[in-house]
Amino acid sequence: AQTVTQSQPEMSVQEAETVTLSCTYDTSESNYYLFWYKQPPSRQMILVIRQEAYKQQNATENRFSVNFQKAAKSFSLKISDSQLGDTAMYFCAFMNPTNIQGAQKLVFGQGTRLTINP
Amino acid sequence: EAQVTQNPRYLITVTGKKLTVTCSQNMNHEYMSWYRQDPGLGLRQIYYSMNVEVTDKGDVPEGYKVSRKEKRNFPLILESPSPNQTSLYFCASSLGSTYNEQFFGPGTRLTVL
Repeated sequence: AQTVTQSQPEMSVQEAETVTLSCTYDTSESNYYLFWYKQPPSRQMILVIRQEAYKQQNATENRFSVNFQKAAKSFSLKISDSQLGDTAMYFCAFMNPTNIQGAQKLVFGQGTRLTINP
Repeated sequence: EAQVTQNPRYLITVTGKKLTVTCSQNMNHEYMSWYRQDPGLGLRQIYYSMNVEVTDKGDVPEGYKVSRKEKRNFPLILESPSPNQTSLYFCASSLGSTYNEQFFGPGTRLTVL
């Protein structure tokens, strides 16, 4: 079974700083997808960025980028020029498309609570 | 507006009193799923459905039931709730093909006394 680990329960940075959230995962599959979700105080789950394992290029979405290290099974999220609105819980998630259930099942990490201070 | 809705958003109940949390999506999605979120554990899948009348267990199905009689609706049923089912529950839906984004509902905070 796949597992996802986020080793940083909480992080705190000043506004405008850059912050990196860590995520590692365990799988024997070669084809899979990785995601970062944001959960603000409203509790809504918001997709931030996603990465396909067969793509070597790291995904980017505006101020959000990932560092995908397939061999190390690492998938970190970098937030540049952090803003107060980035304050949220962040979840790393894994999806294995090679079986019917896995094709749509997200396996989540424990989450990292990020606080951006003014 | 494309969305997943859940009701109720908050619920406080007592042990053993049957309850249903409704989930509805207006995107004609085939795949729907229920997750529970607990501190330190992230979100874990309870049940999923690939289409009408097709449901299966996720990772933590004990104490829960689901049904999929219509494509848009996927209710979560707790026949005899217990305090260990106190949690934040999310319904999600997607088109069902690989890599399609899953859309989450707003969550239901359930407390079982």
